[in-house]
Amino acid sequence: KAGVTQTPRYLIKTRGQQVTLSCSPISGHRSVSWYQQTPGQGLQFLFEYFSETQRNKGNFPGRFSGRQFSNSRSEMNVSTLELGDSALYLCASRQGGESLEAFFGQGTRLTVV
Amino acid sequence: EDQVTQSPEALRLQEGESSSLNCSYTVSGLRGLFWYRQDPGKGPEFLFTLYSAGEEKEKERLKATLTKKESFLHITAPKPEDSATYLCAVQDTGTASKLTFGTGTRLQVTL
Repeated sequence: KAGVTQTPRYLIKTRGQQVTLSCSPISGHRSVSWYQQTPGQGLQFLFEYFSETQRNKGNFPGRFSGRQFSNSRSEMNVSTLELGDSALYLCASRQGGESLEAFFGQGTRLTVV
Repeated sequence: EDQVTQSPEALRLQEGESSSLNCSYTVSGLRGLFWYRQDPGKGPEFLFTLYSAGEEKEKERLKATLTKKESFLHITAPKPEDSATYLCAVQDTGTASKLTFGTGTRLQVTL
């Protein structure tokens, strides 16, 4: 069974640009969550999508947005990039319902210069 | 607000030297406590879910336990391949599937 796939693995962007990251969850999983990981703040929750609806949102500015498609694949967009957005962005896949276990992808390493 | 504190920040063990990692948490209602292992440059790898105080789970050299205020990850006779950062996270009954993570314990096991 394939795991969580995140693309691309690495990105370098310039300050002020925007970026879109993609996540394909485990087959049959309906919930996708996004996290930002930095050395100073650790893993912080961005948002969660379940059946194409945003169900929960963390404390990040509106420049961070996401969506989920009918096949459960999810995208995350960051507009007007800032240097502080440099981080490892992780996607977590859950089956949904009563299942709590979240399985993470390898992440997308975003560097803003 | 949910809080997770892990200690120690870093731990260096010799191969075969058993030890424990601590995760203290504060939540309004615990839905689940999770342990993950993360290798450098990779995503966290799921290890255990614990749901209620008194619960224990084991996997190879790892054993996780849970009380009402903290969880321990016991590592018995570790090997160099156990070297990684171990992350603890909690899910609150009131916040859907959001995980609140601690900052992790960096474990290094030497020969």
